[in-house]
Amino acid sequence: QSALTQPRSVSGSPGQSVTISCTGINSDLGDHTYVSWYQQHPGKAPKVMIYDVSERPSGVPDRFSGSKSGNTASLTISGLQAEDEADYYCCSYAGSYTPWMFGGGTKLTVL
Amino acid sequence: QVQLVESGGGVVQPGRSLRLSCTASGFTFASYGMHWVRQAPGKGLEWVAALWFDGSHKKYADSVKGRFSISRDNSKSTLYLQMNSLRAEDTAVYYCARVTSWGQGTLVTVSS
Repeated sequence: QSALTQPRSVSGSPGQSVTISCTGINSDLGDHTYVSWYQQHPGKAPKVMIYDVSERPSGVPDRFSGSKSGNTASLTISGLQAEDEADYYCCSYAGSYTPWMFGGGTKLTVL
Repeated sequence: QVQLVESGGGVVQPGRSLRLSCTASGFTFASYGMHWVRQAPGKGLEWVAALWFDGSHKKYADSVKGRFSISRDNSKSTLYLQMNSLRAEDTAVYYCARVTSWGQGTLVTVSS
């Protein structure tokens, strides 16, 4: 199975909102909730921002939200801040042989 | 707090072996499935292998199947990745992870 599809880049000005999509989630697996989003700054390890489609770990600002419809998941960042500039990866359950599958990553630029 | 600390990376020649370790703390390691994920230089994240909480099921990416082996020692809260027949394309930072926590990674460089 191919990797999940994300836009290569998105951008927004401080205070604006951006949405990053992640398509190709296997709908044949049912309406599962195993979708996570990771933020990665250069040279750093990925950090979970959203898990189980829309759950936010403690410490993650509520500016970050997640959703899923059909075979597409989305990460929305509202009230953009300079520190949000990073790479973002979606990750989904892709079947019993591939518990995790990642998207290709999206570079977020804060203008 | 939850901590995952990888070790064992380094420079290795093609065809040789290496074993990575990941020591966990701050949570009940034996209750969680664990994963290895890698990131080649300048590339995206690639899932490598997964191991159920009790060691009952192991899954591998096609790119490493037959060469890599994932295991765990719940008494030591440690996850392992045995990497055999290493290739240049295995060069990457290797992370151990559960859904909500990742280690800092360990760099594996396969080069002659």
